[in-house]
Amino acid sequence: EADIYQTPRYLVIGTGKKITLECSQTMGHDKMYWYQQDPGMELHLIHYSYGVNSTEKGDLSSESTVSRIRTEHFPLTLESARPSHTSQYLCASSEFVAGGLNTGELFFGEGSRLTVL
Amino acid sequence: KNQVEQSPQSLIILEGKNCTLQCNYTVSPFSNLRWYKQDTGRGPVSLTIMTFSENTKSNGRYTATLDADTKQSSLHITASQLSDSASYICVVSFSGNTPLVFGKGTRLSVIA
Repeated sequence: EADIYQTPRYLVIGTGKKITLECSQTMGHDKMYWYQQDPGMELHLIHYSYGVNSTEKGDLSSESTVSRIRTEHFPLTLESARPSHTSQYLCASSEFVAGGLNTGELFFGEGSRLTVL
Repeated sequence: KNQVEQSPQSLIILEGKNCTLQCNYTVSPFSNLRWYKQDTGRGPVSLTIMTFSENTKSNGRYTATLDADTKQSSLHITASQLSDSASYICVVSFSGNTPLVFGKGTRLSVIA
């Protein structure tokens, strides 16, 4: 069982609201990631971090932002939610293994399902 | 175009039967290939990770194979159980810092 937690699991909000999706892991992993997944579709990387004070954009353009002030915490923020942001957001982490972004086993949280009305 | 294609898109089998899921990829240069199980509404859970030098890896009733020459992988599930009902996702990794490429998954339903 992976020790990575996401809150909230489900969120329904109105257009224009600011939201923050929380992600915390207790495994001491340096690398953390945010993925977006629509029903029946593949996961797309929207943000990642190699460690504290490191954040990078992924291969899918996103209007969200992230921060990494503590190793264990990697929140994702949407300043002004829109219906197009409706999706499932998955947080993941992996330990640092030399060889680049994709080495190391990924551990995923349970996901946050966001619906914007 | 997604560089990882999975088939079939969905599959229904009877409890106790075996099944094989396919994954074809065009990613190059190849680093490793992963299979994940994703229950509905949950996060994916890793089943196997194989490097280009490995051609088979097992995890209980799950056995993954890899043919790096033909760029094909399969996941074989033996003696299926109702709890195997899930999406099975093939994920391919480039070398270096390029993000993982995920397939869309095969939706498996095991019925009694």
